Amino acid sequence: EAGVAQSPRYKIIEKRQSVAFWCNPISGHATLYWYQQILGQGPKLLIQFQNNGVVDDSQLPKDRFSAERLKGVDSTLKIQPAKLEDSAVYLCASSSNPGQGEKLFFGSGTQLSVL
Amino acid sequence: GENVEQHPSTLSVQEGDSAVIKCTYSDSASNYFPWYKQELGKRPQLIIDIRSNVGEKKDQRIAVTLNKTAKHFSLHITETQPEDSAVYFCAAQTLWGKLQFGAGTQVVVTP
Repeated sequence: EAGVAQSPRYKIIEKRQSVAFWCNPISGHATLYWYQQILGQGPKLLIQFQNNGVVDDSQLPKDRFSAERLKGVDSTLKIQPAKLEDSAVYLCASSSNPGQGEKLFFGSGTQLSVL
Repeated sequence: GENVEQHPSTLSVQEGDSAVIKCTYSDSASNYFPWYKQELGKRPQLIIDIRSNVGEKKDQRIAVTLNKTAKHFSLHITETQPEDSAVYFCAAQTLWGKLQFGAGTQVVVTP
């Protein structure tokens, strides 16, 4: 079974530039998550999708971050414009039925450096 | 919203000793509590989990306990080995699938 795919693996940009990350969840997984993990901290949930609808985006900085999952499968996360404090690993995860305790599967992440 | 507190932030143990990490959660609707191990530069890996209808679960050298009344859950690693050195995260998940992580515990096992 293929895992959660993310790209790119690494990205280096200057502040005020824009960047986009892509995630393809495990086939059949209705729930998709984006997490931000700053070095030395736990993953912070940015947004949770159920199919193509948003379940929770309470911690998403909506003035600069946006995410979509238009067809309920793959998803993109965008930052525009980036700030220095956005430097982090962005992890995508998916699950088949998390409300029933089904485990999350994580992708390898995209490491973003904002200079 | 859910808030997960994790202690200690760092834990140094001698090889063969036990390690205990403790977490508390705030949302009484949380029903699933996974623990993840993360090595440097890698993704979090699920090592054990427990559901809210269970008080304790064991898998070889790893065990988790859950006290729903007190909203506490703990990870116990016995007979620690150098390969247990990593960052460990607790997490709590609500009924609609929102998973919140603790801040992590850096475990160092010294030979």
